[in-house]
Amino acid sequence: QSVLTQPPSASGTPGQRVTISCSGSRSDIGSNTVNWFQQLPGTAPKLLIYGDNQRPSGVSDRFSGSKSGTSASLAISGLQSEDEADYYCASWDDSLYGWVFGGGTKLTVL
Amino acid sequence: EVQLVQSGSEVKKPGESVKISCKGSGYSFASNWIGWVRQMPGKGLEWMGIVNPADSSTRYSPSFQGQVTISADKSISTSYLQWSTLKASDTAIYYCVRHNRLDLTRWLDPWGQGTLVTVSS
Repeated sequence: QSVLTQPPSASGTPGQRVTISCSGSRSDIGSNTVNWFQQLPGTAPKLLIYGDNQRPSGVSDRFSGSKSGTSASLAISGLQSEDEADYYCASWDDSLYGWVFGGGTKLTVL
Repeated sequence: EVQLVQSGSEVKKPGESVKISCKGSGYSFASNWIGWVRQMPGKGLEWMGIVNPADSSTRYSPSFQGQVTISADKSISTSYLQWSTLKASDTAIYYCVRHNRLDLTRWLDPWGQGTLVTVSS
């Protein structure tokens, strides 16, 4: 069982906006910033969002992140077929002194 | 370009040992911790532990403490993950990843390409 809680699946049609939630606790999301990763089939995870809402260079501005208290969200606007992937949230945990991950959300573009 | 390049796939029998590697380039290897992440077949990401290449200190997730050994050799910009006694349940893809920190912000990037370890009799 993962420390951070994500819905196992999400879906949308091309052009739609979808959001994926991530729920944690005071020692992880409540005290540290959130990362979001995209994992395309057969590839390594790729950083999408860090610092709760910052995009690394090269990441499309269709991806955005937000956080409130011990929960975070990833929003994908203008959904495209190539967005079909697994998405993971992660945060540093002060109690564990290590990273914790969500269980992952499989996004399907209908 | 900052990158982490991992060693190739391994096929082992239960009870055997193995050591996989992760070589960093494009940055000062000793300046960033290196973490290791497990992904079992069809499953999610699991944090295993982290090493500080500057002094080789390590920290393990409780789930992996005593099960694996993480190390680093800063002279050759390489981190290692090793098992002394493999089990079938160790079959997974293992990723190394650079841990970055600026003030209160931490992030994991880049990731290695992953090393598949298959344990089967």
